[in-house]
Amino acid sequence: GAGVSQSPSNKVTEKGKDVELRCDPISGHTALYWYRQSLGQGLEFLIYFQGNSAPDKSGLPSDRFSAERTGGSVSTLTIQRTQQEDSAVYLCASSLGQLDGYTFGSGTRLTVV
Amino acid sequence: GIQVEQSPPDLILQEGANSTLRCNFSDSVNNLQWFHQNPWGQLINLFYIPSGTKQNGRLSATTVATERYSLLYISSSQTTDSGVYFCAAPGGSNYKLTFGKGTLLTVNP
Repeated sequence: GAGVSQSPSNKVTEKGKDVELRCDPISGHTALYWYRQSLGQGLEFLIYFQGNSAPDKSGLPSDRFSAERTGGSVSTLTIQRTQQEDSAVYLCASSLGQLDGYTFGSGTRLTVV
Repeated sequence: GIQVEQSPPDLILQEGANSTLRCNFSDSVNNLQWFHQNPWGQLINLFYIPSGTKQNGRLSATTVATERYSLLYISSSQTTDSGVYFCAAPGGSNYKLTFGKGTLLTVNP
């Protein structure tokens, strides 16, 4: 597609439930990133995928968070046993390569109640 | 890791005014980007500018890598320029961008 597509745009979930967030990057972009934006914390790096290389998971806040990227394209971020502190906007970005500008999706606003 | 500091934190302008936003970073970089987050939350990439000067319409950016700062110039501001402006640079890698806290710009009609 023309841009980075994320779904759902909004998600309200009960504490303790699992959620899956989806990101469809720009076709041909080899690099894909997940960030989280919450009040008072700014934009935090979560995870990075580059081609077929092992992902950089150094930003994942706990082992409840995991992500995968299938076929070098679509990525899903999974949060297990959600907690209230997981409430945030989850942003996905892609870039042509490591030294290229990011294009962000519109984000998924996650609210854990 | 790299520190990215932006100033000013807030800025209020009348439509038509010019402004300069500053980004200081604590380490040498080969990748620096400016973004605009509009009031609906969408992050738009304005510039990929590890060094030198670029212009795009009323916006331009200059990065002086040797002195570890970048400037974003907005000329003849419009109400649609309102939002938060972020700069971001990699901390120890080419890809993992560290974002500054942003400058909240409000342009009044």
